[in-house]
Amino acid sequence: DAGVIQSPRHEVTEMGQEVTLRCKPISGHDYLFWYRQTMMRGLELLIYFNNNVPIDDSGMPEDRFSAKMPNASFSTLKIQPSEPRDSAVYFCASSLVGNTEAFFGQGTRLTVV
Amino acid sequence: AQTVTQSQPEMSVQEAETVTLSCTYDTSESDYYLFWYKQPPSRQMILVIRQEAYKQQNATENRFSVNFQKAAKSFSLKISDSQLGDAAMYFCAYRGTRGTYKYIFGTGTRLKVLA
Repeated sequence: DAGVIQSPRHEVTEMGQEVTLRCKPISGHDYLFWYRQTMMRGLELLIYFNNNVPIDDSGMPEDRFSAKMPNASFSTLKIQPSEPRDSAVYFCASSLVGNTEAFFGQGTRLTVV
Repeated sequence: AQTVTQSQPEMSVQEAETVTLSCTYDTSESDYYLFWYKQPPSRQMILVIRQEAYKQQNATENRFSVNFQKAAKSFSLKISDSQLGDAAMYFCAYRGTRGTYKYIFGTGTRLKVLA
């Protein structure tokens, strides 16, 4: 398996624009997580899904953020409208309930100018 | 709610020496998993070692070992014979086993290895 695949690797956008980050989890994994990494706050869990259903979105900072998982092999994290304070590295990770390790993608570095 | 605390933002170690990174956590659960992840400059998150809370024996992976103190809720990582390639951010993480399977991370410790 190619591992967790995220796209794009880097994204630069202007304030107010819509941004969509994409993730393909490892085939067969039933949990998918979205994290945001910043220097000040480390790795924050934004939302996670189990079998494509959102389980906990309490980490989503505000209504500008939304996440979907339309099927077992694809998830998106959308920010609309984007703001400079959203600049961070966004990670997607997946895991299998019987296997305790979370596997991470390479992350998307988002810069909002 | 579970929390994970890493109180050392940055640590340094001489090549070939030993260093210990600290981690404490808070939980009301009795069964859970603890992890150390390494994040080199490439940004990739790499699992270093994991510990099941029900196992009293400390986990070991080659030069990496943990000191798991369940009563104290402490989970430190020891790196022996440090190598230049060990330089990275290290994150401690917690995952529960009953109903909530999210991974909660500490803020990380940046490890510098001095030649």
